[in-house]
Amino acid sequence: DIQLTQSPSFLSASVGDRVTITCRASQGISSYLAWYQQKPGKAPKLLIYGASTLQSGVPSRFSGSGSGTEFTLTISSLQPEDFATYSCQQLNSYPLTFGPGTKVDIK
Amino acid sequence: EVQLVESGGGLVQPGGSLRLSCAASGFTFSSYWMHWVRQAPGKGLVWVARIHSDGYPTIYADSLKGRFTISRDNAKNTLSLQMNSLRADDTAVYYCARGGPLWNDFDYWGQGTLVTVSS
Repeated sequence: DIQLTQSPSFLSASVGDRVTITCRASQGISSYLAWYQQKPGKAPKLLIYGASTLQSGVPSRFSGSGSGTEFTLTISSLQPEDFATYSCQQLNSYPLTFGPGTKVDIK
Repeated sequence: EVQLVESGGGLVQPGGSLRLSCAASGFTFSSYWMHWVRQAPGKGLVWVARIHSDGYPTIYADSLKGRFTISRDNAKNTLSLQMNSLRADDTAVYYCARGGPLWNDFDYWGQGTLVTVSS
């Protein structure tokens, strides 16, 4: 199985900050990576697919990059509605796996 | 508007069974792969199973093989998850999700249904 790790696991930031979250895969997954945002009590929401393609309707302050084993999700200017948990997911091979999540909290 | 609405969750005793349903609307259900994902309280997301648009093949997380069965009724736009021999560690919110058309990412999710396995 492909393992995903995320760093940091917790991040405290202020509105307007630039935030970067890293996801690492235990083996190469090309660009078969997605990012999700989840708020408490809600279903996850797709932000990025194909490692760098912004899902329709997602604000342009979100961006993704990387390929192979290292990927990043960047929020260029953190907004109040962005405080949430962010998880990566590999879609390269089954079983599909998710990273453990990064919680972004208000400083 | 794409909608996925899960139902069927609840409290069940260890060893019991439960059948979850996911009603789909707003898209051509029969054209998409579908998935189940679960999330234990305070924990991360775990993929459970996938079913092809035609209903076959299916694939499962190794730890669930033999106890859970994913199925679909394309005539009724419904996805199901039959869960047998339930254990306490199956307690979770269960989500259905649609596989995206290009990369099979999960582009739409239901609101989730809570399954609690406890005596």
